[in-house]
Amino acid sequence: KQEVTQIPAALSVPEGENLVLNCSFTDSAIYNLQWFRQDPGKGLTSLLLIQSSQREQTSGRLNASLDKSSGRSTLYIAASQPGDSATYLCAYQTSGSRLTFGEGTQLTVNP
Amino acid sequence: NAGVTQTPKFQVLKTGQSMTLQCAQDMNHNSMYWYRQDPGMGLRLIYYSASEGTTDKGEVPNGYNVSRLNKREFSLRLESAAPSQTSVYFCASSRDRVETQYFGPGTRLLVL
Repeated sequence: KQEVTQIPAALSVPEGENLVLNCSFTDSAIYNLQWFRQDPGKGLTSLLLIQSSQREQTSGRLNASLDKSSGRSTLYIAASQPGDSATYLCAYQTSGSRLTFGEGTQLTVNP
Repeated sequence: NAGVTQTPKFQVLKTGQSMTLQCAQDMNHNSMYWYRQDPGMGLRLIYYSASEGTTDKGEVPNGYNVSRLNKREFSLRLESAAPSQTSVYFCASSRDRVETQYFGPGTRLLVL
């Protein structure tokens, strides 16, 4: 069963473009939602964590929003750079410890 | 500050062999986790340890055992490896259960 859906599965954009990655989830009782970045052959790097009581979080060129009622989160990347090329994963956490992950969006930023 | 470290980086096993994956963190975190990542399945939680001295099953615990050796170390053991356990294994830690999780670089395991 698909609990977290990330659209699109892959995205290729030219350098400098602003872009939005989408994440939707079915569990309404989330405690927080996290966005990660994964480079090929590497582990995950945490980008942003949004608590369920928050609407958005910002870090540099990244902005993540959360709408619990609609079960959606977006990751906005401003002025994309080739170094942003990676797979971006969203994951939510309920009151337990388990993170439930989507399968990710593979982003390629072309110079 | 090394963060979360995992050994080994790569391993090839034959069906039925056993091995232990090691994980250590130097961030004084209370909670530690083991995930596996498979194409088309995403990351799934195998076991976690909310605090030193406790362990709990995650989503896919069958065929695995864990030991929280101390606050720093959390190991994952495959007693009798099966081809279905071919995967990339990630260890993670967090200060507490519902805070940001920090991941290690992963162990790539191939079971023949």
